[in-house]
Amino acid sequence: SAVISQKPSRDICQRGTSLTIQCQVDSQVTMMFWYRQQPGQSLTLIATANQGSEATYESGFVIDKFPISRPNLTFSTLTVSNMSPEDSSIYLCSVDGTGGPYEQYFGPGTRLTVT
Amino acid sequence: RKEVEQDPGPFNVPEGATVAFNCTYSNSASQSFFWYRQDCRKEPKLLMSVYSSGNEDGRFTAQLNRASQYISLLIRDSKLSDSATYLCVVAGYSSASKIIFGSGTRLSIRP
Repeated sequence: SAVISQKPSRDICQRGTSLTIQCQVDSQVTMMFWYRQQPGQSLTLIATANQGSEATYESGFVIDKFPISRPNLTFSTLTVSNMSPEDSSIYLCSVDGTGGPYEQYFGPGTRLTVT
Repeated sequence: RKEVEQDPGPFNVPEGATVAFNCTYSNSASQSFFWYRQDCRKEPKLLMSVYSSGNEDGRFTAQLNRASQYISLLIRDSKLSDSATYLCVVAGYSSASKIIFGSGTRLSIRP
């Protein structure tokens, strides 16, 4: 499986600011995914990031709030914009496994606290 | 009704016991099913896929019941290291965006 790293691992931010989370994969992958896991909750897919095209956002998530970049096949960023305390969450990136598009391998996550 | 439902637990069982969880899903068109494990403050990790014929991996057995729309995970001879949250995942629409994670079942193994 791919090795995935994320930066930062955690951050505490003030409301109204923005944070960009980086996701690096050690091999080229077609699709990368960004998830959110709010405290005590399961994972919710935010968007799918494809290299060379606009990200595809899930219902309830918009590009203005969560802009995504995918400049190459090993890297992606997710920005959480104009943050509020409700954005406090763990943000995880993932890639497909070799077993098919639904086997997901996750990065270690970024723990965000907005004050 | 949630698309994927799990008993949140916690299940607290002694070491060596057998424990089973179920997960129900609402969309009969779902095609792919998985169990993930998530340790406290860690990312989820794929535990096993769930095939129509069922599958076994060591102490872990996963089964699918399409008629009743549920999947199950059985853990035999449980170890302390099995303590984690087990996430049920259902997928299989036309794109990867239709991966749905259950809210997880917490398992705690006591000595």
